[in-house]
Amino acid sequence: IAGITQAPTSQILAAGRRMTLRCTQDMRHNAMYWYRQDLGLGLRLIHYSNTAGTTGKGEVPDGYSVSRANTDDFPLTLASAVPSQTSVYFCASSDSGRGNYGYTFGSGTRLTVV
Amino acid sequence: GEDVEQSLFLSVREGDSSVINCTYTDSSSTYLYWYKQEPGAGLQLLTYIFSNMDMKQDQRLTVLLNKKDKHLSLRIADTQTGDSAIYFCAEYGAGSYQLTFGKGTKLSVIP
Repeated sequence: IAGITQAPTSQILAAGRRMTLRCTQDMRHNAMYWYRQDLGLGLRLIHYSNTAGTTGKGEVPDGYSVSRANTDDFPLTLASAVPSQTSVYFCASSDSGRGNYGYTFGSGTRLTVV
Repeated sequence: GEDVEQSLFLSVREGDSSVINCTYTDSSSTYLYWYKQEPGAGLQLLTYIFSNMDMKQDQRLTVLLNKKDKHLSLRIADTQTGDSAIYFCAEYGAGSYQLTFGKGTKLSVIP
């Protein structure tokens, strides 16, 4: 792997079902993020993690949970999916210790909740 | 609070220059970024500028920063059809320890 891998690439999910979106990075970045992208609304931060073992809420955290058991993995879980969670989800990471705080993004997961 | 504003659409003819503008509000911003998102893909870092710089040039890309007006622009010279994408401006504010993104400008290049 080089960079960030997200899985699945796309998914159609029945409302009420539980779903985990996977995100793995191989750059040893300390910080990781989950965004959702919706037409006209840009990128909205769902949850973030500044370092392994810690997480924080972003702008739109309701209905989502995350964990950061190690540096490389940052899964996003929808406990009970609703149609308003239909979106494209992007995972990102950054190495804040390097001084340039730019993010590296994954290719995204397109989720449709029906 | 922090906010980053961009116009949503820009249309240019192939071969012309494109200028995408962005304004931000956080005066403590240390780095400002431009990302490119092609259809169906994630965001890719195009270029960035440190807040003590006025200009940065990288091949066809020129970034101008007016810190007094909190205005950032991205100029693409000799725009090609492959430049058609959504361009996001983002700022890193020392207070937030995170990037704040604009909503993105969709650039359409007319052949």
